[in-house]
Amino acid sequence: QIQLVQSGPELKKPGESVKISCKASGYTFTDYAMHWVKQVPGKGLKWMGWINTYTGKPTYADDFKGRFVFSLEASASTANLQISNLKNEDTANVFCARGYNSGHYWYFDFWGPGTMVTVSS
Amino acid sequence: DIQMTQSPASLSASLGETVTIQCRASEDIYSGLAWYQQKPGKSPQLLIYGASSLQDGVPSRFSGSGSGTQYSLKISSMQTEDEGVYFCQQGLKYPTFGSGTKLEIK
Repeated sequence: QIQLVQSGPELKKPGESVKISCKASGYTFTDYAMHWVKQVPGKGLKWMGWINTYTGKPTYADDFKGRFVFSLEASASTANLQISNLKNEDTANVFCARGYNSGHYWYFDFWGPGTMVTVSS
Repeated sequence: DIQMTQSPASLSASLGETVTIQCRASEDIYSGLAWYQQKPGKSPQLLIYGASSLQDGVPSRFSGSGSGTQYSLKISSMQTEDEGVYFCQQGLKYPTFGSGTKLEIK
């Protein structure tokens, strides 16, 4: 069955970096995009961007340009998100989600369980 | 960016009651709309895509409709397990989500 398994919770100080992984199984990794979605606890969902798992090309939402890097370990069916120079406002649950493009729109049919990133001095 | 306005922010419904949640896009999204259910401590689960297509495994009491800028999700007979937060999402070039509707049993 299709699964996305994410790395465990992280506690970091402001200015540090963090790397979150998302390992996919149950399907051909390079056939589907991987998206990243942020959720501050108790709040809504914010799309961070996506990575083309075939070409490795990342696309970032405007609010996530600069400190955020999407990467792949395609041989391991894993997508990674690295956040540098962490700020208190990066505290959130971060989900990876498999993206399906119907031809003109995206939707997310499988989600990882989320990785809680806490930034605190 | 396309803004998604979702209403109501919360509602409570009795068992067996029909529930409707609305979502309005700031511009035409050509039925590129999905609905998700999220339960506490869990990741969102896809219910509806393409405005009206039911995802595999989702109970048939869930249905979606709409076009242009106006969309809705209907639960035809509220069940206990339907409690949770529901989000709409437009999927054109840069996806955005509605602010969510918290649904509880009355």
